[in-house]
Amino acid sequence: ETGVTQTPRHLVMGMTNKKSLKCEQHLGHNAMYWYKQSAKKPLELMFVYNFKEQTENNSVPSRFSPECPNSSHLFLHLHTLQPEDSALYLCASSLTLDTQYFGPGTRLTVL
Amino acid sequence: GENVEQHPSTLSVQEGDSAVIKCTYSDSASNYFPWYKQELGKRPQLIIDIRSNVGEKKDQRIAVTLNKTAKHFSLHITETQPEDSAVYFCAAQEAGGTSYGKLTFGQGTILTVHP
Repeated sequence: ETGVTQTPRHLVMGMTNKKSLKCEQHLGHNAMYWYKQSAKKPLELMFVYNFKEQTENNSVPSRFSPECPNSSHLFLHLHTLQPEDSALYLCASSLTLDTQYFGPGTRLTVL
Repeated sequence: GENVEQHPSTLSVQEGDSAVIKCTYSDSASNYFPWYKQELGKRPQLIIDIRSNVGEKKDQRIAVTLNKTAKHFSLHITETQPEDSAVYFCAAQEAGGTSYGKLTFGQGTILTVHP
């Protein structure tokens, strides 16, 4: 269960705060993903990076800013979020855009 | 883009019974269909997947069937056990163009297995 790790596991922030979520994969994969999981909604793809290059931005608001410095690390920078952004944020990785393996997620609460 | 519909949203069975969850997809170009199991407070975990060149795949008590013509695929769990209780998600992966590698998920099915 340590192939894909995420920190922090829980985060509470105010609407004016700036915070970052971190994801790291130890599987030798080249693609990484951010998903949002809200209650009673399907998993929503936010961003896809393949070999550090962003290949998908699923119409995500600019208050979410991803960063992928290398194929093993992925960040999601958060600023001026809204209460409706409260959700579980999941990171995943895959080899050559194939089967995706998920991290444990960060439970985000925006006050 | 791809649209995936999953039914039922909740499913309750007795231990030992079979459970079937069905998904339909809209994009005939999709060629990879994974199923994930998510226990409460845990990450989604891949339990089985199928590619479009295969009609059926089985792994012990779990099987998946795919009908490309009708654009639907199903998860079958036999001899259910209480530890099978979880949320199950189907997904379809788009192939080609700018959506390569993009998974679209169904809404999820809450499976409860009663002892």
